Amino acid sequence: NAGVTQTPKFQVLKTGQSMTLQCAQDMNHEYMSWYRQDPGMGLRLIHYSVGAGITDQGEVPNGYNVSRSTTEDFPLRLLSAAPSQTSVYFCASSYNSNSPLHFGNGTRLTVT
Amino acid sequence: AQTVTQSQPEMSVQEAETVTLSCTYDTSESNYYLFWYKQPPSRQMILVIRQEAYKQQNATENRFSVNFQKAAKSFSLKISDSQLGDTAMYFCAKIQGAQKLVFGQGTRLTINP
Repeated sequence: NAGVTQTPKFQVLKTGQSMTLQCAQDMNHEYMSWYRQDPGMGLRLIHYSVGAGITDQGEVPNGYNVSRSTTEDFPLRLLSAAPSQTSVYFCASSYNSNSPLHFGNGTRLTVT
Repeated sequence: AQTVTQSQPEMSVQEAETVTLSCTYDTSESNYYLFWYKQPPSRQMILVIRQEAYKQQNATENRFSVNFQKAAKSFSLKISDSQLGDTAMYFCAKIQGAQKLVFGQGTRLTINP
């Protein structure tokens, strides 16, 4: 069972570059979300989706775009990377609104 | 915004001891879900235990148990007979709305041999 798969594991970007963090799940979960983890701040919600075609903003959405064209995939796009976006990013999915989240293994992003 | 607070940035105990990690939260809801997640150095986020607020019985998973005090909005995690593999960051989290988890700042737990 693959669960939640995130790619890449590590990425270094220069300020102003764009990139997409990929996330895929094979559990047929409706709910998917992206979090970022910064030291001393726990995990904070960036964007989430309650089903294909439906996305919404979380606590820290600025600088990030998402789309959900299929149930399986939920990519996170950085259009113009900034040093403040240096962080560890986690994708997560769950079966319904109160089920525990299944997390991917994270992407460590550094923006110089 | 609703918040989750973990007041202990770091804790350290000897192997086989019992340790309790604290968590408080605020909410206006009567029913909700609370979680403890473990993050070892591998960076994985692993669910440790889950509590439904309407259930008065404290959740237990093997050596892990919670002390859920709904009126006090407190949700502490007790680890009994601690093992070296319990060394990790521990995050308390509460569901807010549709699958939006709000996390505490984390407690770094070190189990010493």
